[in-house]
Amino acid sequence: DTAVSQTPKYLVTQMGNDKSIKCEQNLGHDTMYWYKQDSKKFLKIMFSYNNKELIINETVPNRFSPKSPDKAHLNLHINSLELGDSAVYFCASSQDRWTNNEQYFGPGTRLTVT
Amino acid sequence: DAKTTQPNSMESNEEEPVHLPCNHSTISGTDYIHWYRQLPSQGPEYVIHGLTSNVNNRMASLAIAEDRKSSTLILHRATLRDAAVYYCILRAVNSGNTPLVFGKGTRLSVIA
Repeated sequence: DTAVSQTPKYLVTQMGNDKSIKCEQNLGHDTMYWYKQDSKKFLKIMFSYNNKELIINETVPNRFSPKSPDKAHLNLHINSLELGDSAVYFCASSQDRWTNNEQYFGPGTRLTVT
Repeated sequence: DAKTTQPNSMESNEEEPVHLPCNHSTISGTDYIHWYRQLPSQGPEYVIHGLTSNVNNRMASLAIAEDRKSSTLILHRATLRDAAVYYCILRAVNSGNTPLVFGKGTRLSVIA
């Protein structure tokens, strides 16, 4: 069984479109995250949710809106896609929000905006 | 989170031990040292973490200097599957602020 899954794996779309990426974890974890890895391979946190509550929101454009319908799911909706949004997006989860719990990452969603 | 410094790249022969260094001279007393790795086209995966004492698990060993200003991740027998980018990350204890802050990491190449 996949611990953290993301759909779709690849997403190609045009500028201006709205798209969503879905993430699910079957580990019973309380905390979930979205990270972005750009073309230079830098990984940066975007959002963090704990028990469906937003706890971290880095300086991300408000075109990006995370939604957590329950603690096993954290979806990422992106409005008015721009070329600069092209990247690999990783979902992750951890048991809770405290420091020493390892994070489990999904396989990533490669978003290409043309 | 305090900063870490790692070599950009390292190379190892298959089945030989690999020592991946990390400098963290500004580490505070409450920072844990975590290691993650990212295999090609995959998400990062946890490797090991420690505070002061050396740590061993099924994947690797972590050797922490006595002054904690540096640490070394040890892969005892490198395999081709160990080729990845290895990230050394400091995380404050009980901060409640849990995202990982990734640097550039060390790209490990393993030669057959």
